[in-house]
Amino acid sequence: AQTVTQSQPEMSVQEAETVTLSCTYDTSENNYYLFWYKQPPSRQMILVIRQEAYKQQNATENRFSVNFQKAAKSFSLKISDSQLGDTAMYFCAFMKQWTSYDKVIFGPGTSLSVIP
Amino acid sequence: KAGVTQTPRYLIKTRGQQVTLSCSPISGHRSVSWYQQTPGQGLQFLFEYFSETQRNKGNFPGRFSGRQFSNSRSEMNVSTLELGDSALYLCASSAGTETYGYTFGSGTRLTVV
Repeated sequence: AQTVTQSQPEMSVQEAETVTLSCTYDTSENNYYLFWYKQPPSRQMILVIRQEAYKQQNATENRFSVNFQKAAKSFSLKISDSQLGDTAMYFCAFMKQWTSYDKVIFGPGTSLSVIP
Repeated sequence: KAGVTQTPRYLIKTRGQQVTLSCSPISGHRSVSWYQQTPGQGLQFLFEYFSETQRNKGNFPGRFSGRQFSNSRSEMNVSTLELGDSALYLCASSAGTETYGYTFGSGTRLTVV
């Protein structure tokens, strides 16, 4: 079975600084998808970024980028120029290729606080 | 376009009662998944419906059930409520291939007293 681990329950960062959130996963699959979701205090989960395992290039979305290390089964999220609105829970998530109709598995989350 | 709508936002029930939660996915999305979120267990998958059929199911007791209607709206039902069922219940919709990620609703906060 697949598992997702986020070893940092809580983190904080100064506004405008850069922070990296860690995520590791365990799978025997070769093709899969990885996601980072953000859940602010408003509770609504928002997709931040996605990565396809067969693509070596790291995904980037504005201030958010990932460092995907397939061999190490690591998928970290880097937030540059942190803003107060980035304060939220961040969840790393894994899904096997869609043809398996499998569920998305979420990590336990990292609570990020951006300090003014 | 409208997002994923979950109703109600908050609910307080007594042990032993039953509850029904509703989720309307994004227009055109045919897949609806349900997750239970608690501080101790994180996000736990309940079930997924696609075109009115349950396509996947998590490890929850039979007290948790769901269904999907022809317009893709979904409901989940919890019977004989227990204190441990207190949680945030999240609904997520997708076109059917979750590879592009879910779109989540704001959730229903259920408190069992």
